[in-house]
Amino acid sequence: NAGVTQTPKFRVLKTGQSMTLLCAQDMNHEYMYWYRQDPGMGLRLIHYSVGEGTTAKGEVPDGYNVSRLKKQNFLLGLESAAPSQTSVYFCASRAGTGSSGNTIYFGEGSWLTVV
Amino acid sequence: KNEVEQSPQNLTAQEGEFITINCSYSVGISALHWLQQHPGGGIVSLFMLSSGKKKHGRLIATINIQEKHSSLHITASHPRDSAVYICAGGSNYQLIWGAGTKLIIKP
Repeated sequence: NAGVTQTPKFRVLKTGQSMTLLCAQDMNHEYMYWYRQDPGMGLRLIHYSVGEGTTAKGEVPDGYNVSRLKKQNFLLGLESAAPSQTSVYFCASRAGTGSSGNTIYFGEGSWLTVV
Repeated sequence: KNEVEQSPQNLTAQEGEFITINCSYSVGISALHWLQQHPGGGIVSLFMLSSGKKKHGRLIATINIQEKHSSLHITASHPRDSAVYICAGGSNYQLIWGAGTKLIIKP
């Protein structure tokens, strides 16, 4: 089983460039999340989605946009990359029904450096 | 405000020791998750608890609903258990994350 797959795994961007991180899950999960993790820090929620066609802001949404056009995919876009967005990005998903108690599955992470 | 607090922040122990990591949470959290993050970065779900106790190999997780407290125990700890252990409270759509406990097991 593929589970949660993130692409790309590594990327170096110049300040001002744009890019999209793709998260794909094959478990028919309703809920999907994008987190960032800075060195020595915990996970911070950027955006999340509770179903196809829906998105919502998390704790640190500024500078990011997301889309959930298909249930299995959750895209994270950086419109104009800044050095402060250098981080490791994690995508996660879990089933919708009885949501608070469902196991959460993470992708392997995407290492992004903005120079 | 819903919160999740973990202790200790850092823990170093010798191989074979019994390890306990604690997590306290506030009202509004209906399920408690324990996850493990290895130095390479990957995050794996260990347990999800809404009551009682769960065991998987050398790992045991308990939750006390009345006291709003959960513990993760590792028996016969081994250097390969070295990782960051994170608890997270499930509340509606989101998870509220603890800060993590960095565990180092020395041979």
